[in-house]
Amino acid sequence: DTGVSQNPRHKITKRGQNVTFRCDPISEHNRLYWYRQTLGQGPEFLTYFQNEAQLEKSRLLSDRFSAERPKGSFSTLEIQRTEQGDSAMYLCASSPRAGDTQYFGPGTRLTVL
Amino acid sequence: KNEVEQSPQNLTAQEGEFITINCSYSVGISALHWLQQHPGGGIVSLFMLSSGKKKHGRLIATINIQEKHSSLHITASHPRDSAVYICAVSGGSNYKLTFGKGTLLTVNP
Repeated sequence: DTGVSQNPRHKITKRGQNVTFRCDPISEHNRLYWYRQTLGQGPEFLTYFQNEAQLEKSRLLSDRFSAERPKGSFSTLEIQRTEQGDSAMYLCASSPRAGDTQYFGPGTRLTVL
Repeated sequence: KNEVEQSPQNLTAQEGEFITINCSYSVGISALHWLQQHPGGGIVSLFMLSSGKKKHGRLIATINIQEKHSSLHITASHPRDSAVYICAVSGGSNYKLTFGKGTLLTVNP
């Protein structure tokens, strides 16, 4: 088992550009979570999936953010028209079932110039 | 919304010392999690507990549901224990984690 992987690990972009991140959860984990962590803070919940269904989105997730998990396996998080305030570490976690331990990926660090 | 408070925010210890990090939360939960984060990002789950006490190696986690309080203890601390330790709680059907801000632990040789 290779664990949760995220790509890219780092992304530098200019304000106004679109970016997309990918998360590959542990095989057969049906829950997938996205969190965002800014410097010096704990992570904050963004959204989660049960298989391919997106069941909840945080108010932090503005209309510029969209997430998908088309086949219930990998997930993508897209940010359109990036702003400097989007600079953060984006973390993905998966768990086998609801209520189980969440396993985190290494994160994607986004810097918006 | 659950508020999760950790103390202290920063902790410096000498190798071998016994360390305690505290966590309190405001609303009933289904589970409390202790996680470790090293510089560069990676988060590792240390414990998930809903009652009592758990032990893994030199790490011990306890929770008091009535007082809405948990502690993480590290015995015989070592410089490799230096990391950010984060408390998080989960509850409701979504089981999303609500995190504290973390405690930066530095263990000096």
